[in-house]
Order: sequence, then C-alpha cells, then structure tokens
Amino acid sequence: AAGVIQSPRHLIKEKRETATLKCYPIPRHDTVYWYQQGPGQDPQFLISFYEKMQSDKGSIPDRFSAQQFSDYHSELNMSSLELGDSALYFCASSIQGSGYGYTFGSGTRLTVV
Amino acid sequence: AQKVTQAQTEISVVEKEDVTLDCVYETRDTTYYLFWYKQPPSGELVFLIRRNSFDEQNEISGRYSWNFQKSTSSFNFTITASQVVDSAVYFCALRPQMSFDQNFVFGPGTRLSVLP
Repeated sequence: AAGVIQSPRHLIKEKRETATLKCYPIPRHDTVYWYQQGPGQDPQFLISFYEKMQSDKGSIPDRFSAQQFSDYHSELNMSSLELGDSALYFCASSIQGSGYGYTFGSGTRLTVV
Repeated sequence: AQKVTQAQTEISVVEKEDVTLDCVYETRDTTYYLFWYKQPPSGELVFLIRRNSFDEQNEISGRYSWNFQKSTSSFNFTITASQVVDSAVYFCALRPQMSFDQNFVFGPGTRLSVLP
C-alpha cells in the first residue's frame, strides 16, 4: 500500500539558509499535518492543511511557511535557519473526519550547521 | 486542554522479561482516539495500535497487549517476553475524534532498552 512520502530524507543546511521539505500524502487523503521532533523530544504539531487551506496552526515559527498544492502534496518552507531548527520533521496525512488512515511519513532529518 | 503523560522516561529490562509502559491522558472530549507509536533508532514513527474511546476491550497482538481503562484515563502497553529489537522510544498519543482540528498530542515518550 502507498504510504506518505517525504523528501529529502536528510538535509544539511547552514545557518541563515532556506530549506524546503516536501510531503506526498497517501492517495485520496485530503489533510496533511506537519510535526517537528527535536532531539530527545516528542513530536510537536506545526501546521495542517485541509483541501489546500490551512486548517490548524501549532507552534510554527514565523520563519516557516507551508502550503498544500492542488495535487494535495505539501511543502514546508523554512527560512533564516537557526541551529535550533535541527530536528526530525514528520508529515502525516489523513481523510478529514476519520480517525483512520493517519499515517506518518518516514521523516526528514534536518541538520543546521 | 489535552495532555498525555508517560511517567517513565527510561526503562531497562533484560531480554525475555515482560515490561509495561504507562500512559495517562487528559481530555475534555467525549470521543477520542488513543495511539501507541514506536520510534526505533532509525527515527521513523511506527504505528502500533489505535483505540477508540468507546471501545474498552483490551487487545493482544502477538507479544503486545494494551489495557485501556477509561475510568482511570490510562492506556498502558505491555510487551511480553521482550526482545532486543523492542528497544526504541515508545510514544502514547491522543487525538480527538469529532473536532475539525485533529492533530495529535503526544506524550513525552518512554525509552525502552532491552538488554541481551
């Protein structure tokens, strides 16, 4: 079965650079969620999109932005990167209103040096 | 407010021992889902189980079993005859069922080390 695809798997950036993470949800899933997991921490909700509109916002810094495109894939854009942005970034997708099918991608490990 | 507590930060057991990971949650929602995820050293989040708040039946899947008690807001996870491959961080998570915004609330995780 198709899963949530995230790319790239690993990313190394320097301070003040920009990074773009991509997420391809499971086919027919209309909702995408982004989570950030710092070292030794639990995943923290950043932002979600339903039908290409932002549906909820968590602890996402102003330097970050995200969007969901017409094919339902989503991109998380991070600018002016800081060392503290080094983390594992997970994307998950689901069908809105369903407790089923909430599947996480394998994550993108971002390292800021 | 929603909150998930996993009081055990780290647990070490010797292979073949049984181990129980505790999870206590807080929510005002009447309907919700509870989850357990495993995060091995490779980093991905591996889905283990989803439990609907209306279903208090305990569940067993191989060496894994879950004890959901709504009266005490607990959803504990037991691994029987633990193996080295069980070594990972385990997260308990809560998700409302009926609200539009259905993001997860994770517990802080329990790091399980199974020693040979």
